[in-house]
Amino acid sequence: RKEVEQDPGPFNVPEGATVAFNCTYSNSASQSFFWYRQDCRKEPKLLMSVYSSGNEDGRFTAQLNRASQYISLLIRDSKLSDSATYLCVVNSVRRALTFGSGTRLQVQP
Amino acid sequence: DGGITQSPKYLFRKEGQNVTLSCEQNLNHDAMYWYRQDPGQGLRLIYYSQIVNDFQKGDIAEGYSVSREKKESFPLTVTSAQKNPTAFYLCASSTIASGNTIYFGEGSWLTVV
Repeated sequence: RKEVEQDPGPFNVPEGATVAFNCTYSNSASQSFFWYRQDCRKEPKLLMSVYSSGNEDGRFTAQLNRASQYISLLIRDSKLSDSATYLCVVNSVRRALTFGSGTRLQVQP
Repeated sequence: DGGITQSPKYLFRKEGQNVTLSCEQNLNHDAMYWYRQDPGQGLRLIYYSQIVNDFQKGDIAEGYSVSREKKESFPLTVTSAQKNPTAFYLCASSTIASGNTIYFGEGSWLTVV
């Protein structure tokens, strides 16, 4: 089983739609969780950290479910500019971060 | 400006040659990392270093070598032993003060010709 698993997508949604991604992780001792955004042929950039109580940043909401070992990202009112690959990131036993393979989102006009 | 600088951005290597990718950061971060990304795939950890003069293998260290002689520098050598080196290489750094958030350089594209 992979340490971090994501649905690769693509998720094709119209502008203005709400879309949600889930990510599961295998290491129950993981402490740090993040969502990164990666545009084609670019480096990943931090979108948001994920806190135990859940957190929101504008149109983006991240949640953590420790019991089921998954994190989620909700994007409301999707924009064309949200089209990208979203990477789930979890700290590993090595104290280095492990990346999921990413979920591709395509927002259509 | 503070950040992570990788060079070169594009590099072509002949089979059998070693090449070294540079990574410099002026963020005063303690930890540095090298990841590899293949087309349509996620990031895989090659090597990481938590402090100067110390580094650990990641998931795919075979065919690669690193050094950490200075806090701000973490070069990666892709040796001839790496059989399929064509990929996008990403250097990153982090510090406990930033909650271990990883920040990336712009990456280096390596192609074997």
